[in-house]
Amino acid sequence: DQQVKQNSPSLSVQEGRISILNCDYTNSMFDYFLWYKKYPAEGPTFLISISSIKDKNEDGRFTVFLNKSAKHLSLHIVPSQPGDSAVYFCAASAGSGGGADGLTFGKGTHLIIQP
Amino acid sequence: DAGVTQSPTHLIKTRGQHVTLRCSPISGHKSVSWYQQVLGQGPQFIFQYYEKEERGRGNFPDRFSARQFPNYSSELNVNALLLGDSALYLCASSLGPLEKLFFGSGTQLSVL
Repeated sequence: DQQVKQNSPSLSVQEGRISILNCDYTNSMFDYFLWYKKYPAEGPTFLISISSIKDKNEDGRFTVFLNKSAKHLSLHIVPSQPGDSAVYFCAASAGSGGGADGLTFGKGTHLIIQP
Repeated sequence: DAGVTQSPTHLIKTRGQHVTLRCSPISGHKSVSWYQQVLGQGPQFIFQYYEKEERGRGNFPDRFSARQFPNYSSELNVNALLLGDSALYLCASSLGPLEKLFFGSGTQLSVL
């Protein structure tokens, strides 16, 4: 049973436009949510996170929105750049670094930025 | 500064064999976590070690074991390899068990 779901395996966006990646979760115990970016042949790289006490967190071009009642979060990238092409993983935990239960990851969304 | 380093980068084994994967954390990081990423899936939590003690374990069989050494490096051992163990094994380090994870590039294990 997948506790973190990314229902779009891939997403294609034109350079300069907004990219919106979505993630749903089922476990009410999750209180910390993270986005990781992964290039081929590299490990995941931390992008941005949000605690359940907030509904928005911004870092430069990246903004994460959390809707706790819907158990949904989204990552907005504005404007999208060619270097943003990668696989994006949504992850959740009952603590900022995963703790004893680790991070629970979604399957990922492959973002492709078209020139 | 060196990031998380893992060795080897690639490994081919046959069913029934044993494998040892190694991980060196970022300097100053005392916690190491291991994840398995099967093709088409997200990483799945295997273990977390902090100060040389196991702090958490995911839903993996006893064929999987790990340890952390006094210098905070870590080994992941898998016994009696199955075809389904073929995956990318990721090591991540953090300052502490609840801190942000920094991942290495992984070890790609193929079991034939």
